[in-house]
Amino acid sequence: LAKTTQPISMDSYEGQEVNITCSHNNIATNDYITWYQQFPSQGPRFIIQGYKTKVTNEVASLFIPADRKSSTLSLPRVSLSDTAVYYCLVGVQGGKLIFGQGTELSVKP
Amino acid sequence: GAGVSQTPSNKVTEKGKYVELRCDPISGHTALYWYRQSLGQGPEFLIYFQGTGAADDSGLPNDRFFAVRPEGSVSTLKIQRTERGDSAVYLCASSLSWGGDTDTQYFGPGTRLTVL
Repeated sequence: LAKTTQPISMDSYEGQEVNITCSHNNIATNDYITWYQQFPSQGPRFIIQGYKTKVTNEVASLFIPADRKSSTLSLPRVSLSDTAVYYCLVGVQGGKLIFGQGTELSVKP
Repeated sequence: GAGVSQTPSNKVTEKGKYVELRCDPISGHTALYWYRQSLGQGPEFLIYFQGTGAADDSGLPNDRFFAVRPEGSVSTLKIQRTERGDSAVYLCASSLSWGGDTDTQYFGPGTRLTVL
């Protein structure tokens, strides 16, 4: 299963765009890239998933370059309520999601 | 509609005791997963059910841990002879079908287990 590397923490201010990049150099051909968000005392919540190029939904955008060795989660105009841990996951091994440490995003007023 | 629910939300027990943690998946979801999350870490896979059977229990740390899903819906995670190291948040998730890349897993709020 592809190993992922993402920053441990990031700081931002309300109204800014936040980009979190995840490296996954040994991604397999069939692997999708999935991002989850987790608030304190809650379970992870699916944000977005993509295979290549760009995916956008009402919450975020996901940018995936042609070589697929990295991906960037983009959160437009963050608010205080976007403070959370964001996990990048690559592939699903027989049903298992393999979580890393995630990126702890802190949004300040 | 209703999401994944877990009971209890908090459980405090003494070392050596037996505990049961319950998970109610989203109605109609055939796949159910248990994860464990320690403070500051991402969730760690424990076991995965497809219907009533455990499709993969490779994440269970030892034979003190056991999980069942007798009717293919509700699941119970059972921990015997609890140890302080078992203290963590136990998360349950469910998905519509077989657990492939595009089969989104929906998580419950977790049960915080504290072993004194």
